[in-house]
Amino acid sequence: DQQVKQNSPSLSVQEGRISILNCDYTNSMFDYFLWYKKYPAEGPTFLISISSIKDKNEDGRFTVFLNKSAKHLSLHIVPSQPGDSAVYFCAASHSGTYKYIFGTGTRLKVLA
Amino acid sequence: NAGVTQTPKFQVLKTGQSMTLQCAQDMNHNSMYWYRQDPGMGLRLIYYSASEGTTDKGEVPNGYNVSRLNKREFSLRLESAAPSQTSVYFCASSGSIGLGEKLFFGSGTQLSVL
Repeated sequence: DQQVKQNSPSLSVQEGRISILNCDYTNSMFDYFLWYKKYPAEGPTFLISISSIKDKNEDGRFTVFLNKSAKHLSLHIVPSQPGDSAVYFCAASHSGTYKYIFGTGTRLKVLA
Repeated sequence: NAGVTQTPKFQVLKTGQSMTLQCAQDMNHNSMYWYRQDPGMGLRLIYYSASEGTTDKGEVPNGYNVSRLNKREFSLRLESAAPSQTSVYFCASSGSIGLGEKLFFGSGTQLSVL
């Protein structure tokens, strides 16, 4: 049972345009969400997070939106740069366990 | 500052062989984790250690054992490797087990079991 789903395995975007990566979850107990970025042959690195008490969190070019009623979050990258090409994982956790459940990842390719 | 260091980076085993994956962190973190990454499956938690002296099972613990040797080191052992354990293994650490704690990952160990 996949509690965190990233339904788009891959996405291609032109440099300078917006990239939107989506993530859906099924467990309404989740109250903290993170996005990680992963380059080939490296470990995932933290990108941005959001608590369930917020519906938006912004950090430079990266913004995460949370829609609790739809159990959906999205990561917006504006403007997209070739260096953003990587695999992006969303992860969710809730206060009861503090263990993170990861999605399957979306491979973003930013075309120069 | 090395962060989280995993060894080895690559390993090929035959079915039935055993091996230990090593992980060390230099961030004075209390909590450590082992994940595996498989195509189409994302990252799945194998075992974690909330603090020195404690270990707990994650989502996919079967076929693995762990040892929290000290605050810095957390090892993962495959006693009798199986082809289903072919995967990329990541060690991670965090300040503690708590909401809002970020995970810091090592660069991974690519394991093939023939």
